[in-house]
Amino acid sequence: QVQLVESGGGVVQPGRSLRLSCAASGFTFSTYGMHWVRQAPGKGLEWVAVISDDGTKKYYADSVKGRFTISRDNSKNTLYLQIKSLRPEDTAVYYCAKNPAYGYYFDYWGQGTLVTVSS
Amino acid sequence: SYELTQPPSVSVSPGQTARITCSGDALPKQYGYWYQQKPGQAPLLVMYKDNERPSGVPERFSGSSSGTTVTLTISGVQAEDEADYYCQSADISSASWVFGGGTKLTVL
Repeated sequence: QVQLVESGGGVVQPGRSLRLSCAASGFTFSTYGMHWVRQAPGKGLEWVAVISDDGTKKYYADSVKGRFTISRDNSKNTLYLQIKSLRPEDTAVYYCAKNPAYGYYFDYWGQGTLVTVSS
Repeated sequence: SYELTQPPSVSVSPGQTARITCSGDALPKQYGYWYQQKPGQAPLLVMYKDNERPSGVPERFSGSSSGTTVTLTISGVQAEDEADYYCQSADISSASWVFGGGTKLTVL
């Protein structure tokens, strides 16, 4: 069965950087687009970024452009999110999610990793 | 990018029908999708392409689309359906994915 397991979250000071990881299993990782979605405490879902199956195409939400970088290593079945210059408003649970073969949505989600930006 | 608008809350008694709407200008051109999220859990896809139900989702969940609005209908609501529900679509021209603000379904 499809499994997505995020890691790398924690408490980070403003201005620092962080890299989140998402280990995928149960499907052929290299043939699916993958996303990051975040959810601030008590708030709704916010799409963050997407990467194509081969990693050549990447798109970002306007709110994170320039500070967030999505990447993947298909040899390790792992998705990444590099976050620079962390701000308090980046505090959220970060989910990785799989895009199905056809369509523009999220058919499987990980359990999320919490990032808290605080001094 | 564009916006999707949902009512903040919907309340129904057990056994009744709950309807959660989602409005957006791009919905006539793009499919709507629905996710259920219970406290402390990841979202779960409950409807795709307006009215397709993933395997494992109870038949009491159905979806429809009309003009700029997509609707998630839960017939014979059960206590376990109490959750937040989010609609989602995509703006292909700008390669962005969009969520509605979410609707809290309360089972009275």
